[in-house]
Amino acid sequence: DQQVKQNSPSLSVQEGRISILNCDYTNSMFDYFLWYKKYPAEGPTFLISISSIKDKNEDGRFTVFLNKSAKHLSLHIVPSQPGDSAVYFCAASGIQKLVFGQGTRLTINP
Amino acid sequence: KAGVTQTPRYLIKTRGQQVTLSCSPISGHRSVSWYQQTPGQGLQFLFEYFSETQRNKGNFPGRFSGRQFSNSRSEMNVSTLELGDSALYLCASSVGQGIGEQFFGPGTRLTVL
Repeated sequence: DQQVKQNSPSLSVQEGRISILNCDYTNSMFDYFLWYKKYPAEGPTFLISISSIKDKNEDGRFTVFLNKSAKHLSLHIVPSQPGDSAVYFCAASGIQKLVFGQGTRLTINP
Repeated sequence: KAGVTQTPRYLIKTRGQQVTLSCSPISGHRSVSWYQQTPGQGLQFLFEYFSETQRNKGNFPGRFSGRQFSNSRSEMNVSTLELGDSALYLCASSVGQGIGEQFFGPGTRLTVL
């Protein structure tokens, strides 16, 4: 039972353009959502989060949008840079537990 | 402040053996969670320990167990290893229990032959 789904295993974007990573969830009890970024041979690092009472949170080049009615969140990276190439995981927080998606591998092409 | 450390970083075992992985959280963090990462499956939650007590558990067989010591360091044990246990095992710590931002270690890459 995959409660958090990232349906795109990979995404390729040209440097300078916008990267949009998507995530869907099924459990309406989730009330806090996070994005993590992971480089090879390193653990995931926290990127940005959003509470269910908001629909948008922005931090520099990174913006997370939450659509509660659609149970969908997305991460926008503008402009995309080569250093953004990594695997991105979305996570949803429920009752005392974080549930992660499968990850999306983002590749930024020069 | 030192980050989350995990030892060993790499491990090769054979089927039927057991293994113990170690995690030292960030100083002051009392919660430690363990995850298994395999290709295509993302991060699968194993369990969380807070103040030496297991607070939450994922859907893994009883071969997977853990514990937490009074200094918040945690160990994870897998007995009777199977080929499918080959994965990256990640430990994450946080100040409080359960939700919110977690800080991950670099992981232990376990290969079962």
